[in-house]
Formats: sequence, structure tokens, C-alpha cells
Amino acid sequence: GENVEQHPSTLSVQEGDSAVIKCTYSDSASNYFPWYKQELGKRPQLIIDIRSNVGEKKDQRIAVTLNKTAKHFSLHITETQPEDSAVYFCAAPAGPGRRALTFGSGTRLQVQP
Amino acid sequence: NAGVTQTPKFRILKIGQSMTLQCTQDMNHNYMYWYRQDPGMGLKLIYYSVGAGITDKGEVPNGYNVSRSTTEDFPLRLELAAPSQTSVYFCASRPQGTWDYEQYFGPGTRLTVT
Repeated sequence: GENVEQHPSTLSVQEGDSAVIKCTYSDSASNYFPWYKQELGKRPQLIIDIRSNVGEKKDQRIAVTLNKTAKHFSLHITETQPEDSAVYFCAAPAGPGRRALTFGSGTRLQVQP
Repeated sequence: NAGVTQTPKFRILKIGQSMTLQCTQDMNHNYMYWYRQDPGMGLKLIYYSVGAGITDKGEVPNGYNVSRSTTEDFPLRLELAAPSQTSVYFCASRPQGTWDYEQYFGPGTRLTVT
């Protein structure tokens, strides 16, 4: 089945700096890659996703890039703000018919004011 | 729409007790999921369902059971609770169809087994 690895596990940046989180996946047939943000004590929420027919997608200060050859995708956050502090999870389709998701282990991002 | 709702919010169980975690969604989503999240860890899929009467095991199904008698409800049953089942449980749902739809999560149930 699909295996997703996420790095780093923790990331501390100064406000205004950029942050990059990387995930690798094992199933070359996977073609949908979402990123979820989970604030402390809250539920995970989708912040951006990408499909395999594009290499990059942007939404204001966040972007996701996909390298299908290397089987990795990355989340980029520019001009970080304290409210970006949270745990970020990547995911990829899993299970029969790829009707479920398997999640990475998460990255705790701390933005220092 | 209330979205995905879960009850209870918190629960403390003694070892060997049983309980049912409730999950309801009002978005007419066919696909529903149960995850557990251990402290400081990621989300592990317990069970999922693609429609009423259909359920499938995820990565960590042992010690749990589910049923799906209606589109709206997807309860998770814990039999003979063990300390290893101390976790936060999230229910999620998404529309049927292509696999690239967003999953909507409930607020979670924090369970402690002592």
C-alpha cells in the first residue's frame, strides 16, 4: 500500500521567513496530494491540494510543488506569520480504489515573532 | 449545515469497558472515515465506509467495530477498552465519486482509558 514520509518533524522560523515541508510517497500511481493544517486542539483542515497533471499550485502565501519522477511533493509558505504556527500533514490516496487517504507523520511549524 | 458532529467531546473509560463514539454528517456525503491521533502523532485510519451497509478496515482496525446503517451516521464501537486506545478520535466525510475531494473532519473525541 501507499507509504508517505514527511520531513522535518519540527520547524522553527522567524516571522517573515519562508518554510518548506517535504513529503515522499511510494505508489507511482498516486495522483492527488492534499495538505492539511491542524491548529492546537482543533480538527485538521485542508489548506491546499495538487493533482498529478500539474507541477505547482499557489494560493496566496502557500504553494505546493510536485515532482512525480522523484515521487515527492512539498508545501511552501512564504512571509510566515505567527498564525501559521500549527501542525501540517501531507497525504496521498490509499486503500482499494484509493478511496481513503494515508497521512504523513506531521510537521510542527513554529513561527517566532 | 452543522457539517460533521461527534459526541461525546471527552470520555474517560476504565479498562475493559465498552463505548460507542457517535459521528453524524448532514452534507449527504457517502464516504465516511474514522481516524485516531495519538499525542504528537499523525492520523491513522481505523475504518471507513463508502455507503450505507459497506465498511472496510483501515490501518489499525483491531479493537474497534463500525456499522453504517444510514448515510448520515457512522458510529465507532470500542469493545474491552485498553490503555493503548487512549487517543483523540476524528470522524471525517467527503462526497462520493473521484478520490480527490476534500475530507471534512469533525471536532474530535478525546478518550482516556485508565
